[in-house]
Amino acid sequence: QSALTQPASVSGSPGQSITISCTGTGSDVGGYNYVSWYQQHPGQAPQVMIYDVTHRPSGVSDRFSGSKSGNTASLTISGLQAGDEADYYCSSYTRSSTWVFGGGTKVTIL
Amino acid sequence: QVQLQESGPGVVKPSQTLSLTCTVFGGSISRSDSYWTWIRQAPGKGLEWIGYIYYSGRTYYNPSLLSRVSISVDTSQNQFSLRLTSVTAADTAVYYCARKSYLNAYDYWGQGTMLSVSS
Repeated sequence: QSALTQPASVSGSPGQSITISCTGTGSDVGGYNYVSWYQQHPGQAPQVMIYDVTHRPSGVSDRFSGSKSGNTASLTISGLQAGDEADYYCSSYTRSSTWVFGGGTKVTIL
Repeated sequence: QVQLQESGPGVVKPSQTLSLTCTVFGGSISRSDSYWTWIRQAPGKGLEWIGYIYYSGRTYYNPSLLSRVSISVDTSQNQFSLRLTSVTAADTAVYYCARKSYLNAYDYWGQGTMLSVSS
């Protein structure tokens, strides 16, 4: 299975909004509403920010939102804050009953 | 509050077998809504899904690792384990154990354990 495609880096200024894309195929992202997003700060384990494409776990800020169109899912972070600087990974269930991650996107706050 | 903790040797020689264990605290590994998962991250790289196991013993593996990987569960010890044979330098990574819940996401993670393949 091939990794989902994410941009290597995205940047924005405090208060702005950014969107990270995650492109797969009809066998993963496009075929199921089981896309999740993870935030990872250096030296720490990832933390789930979005599950089932659009849902936020309890305790996650509503500045984080998810969407999907066709084979591409997206994570939007609004009102950027310094603490949002991290790596972000998407993940999707696949037709093979397995899971696949994206290559990761480094978010930089300007 | 579920907590997971990985344990392992830290260093394995090339061609040998890697064995890691994850102990689950604060909840039963026999939960019907949970799949117990191994994920790894090579230095400076992204996350790679290795596979997971249900408490009944049913397993699912990354096709790219299928010939070398096995995951087992010990419900009496509330632990699950990863075994990866014929390791090479490419298997050097931080190995995380995690839980996939009914949320269809990995909601609890261990802190990760670094495994180096070196002679």
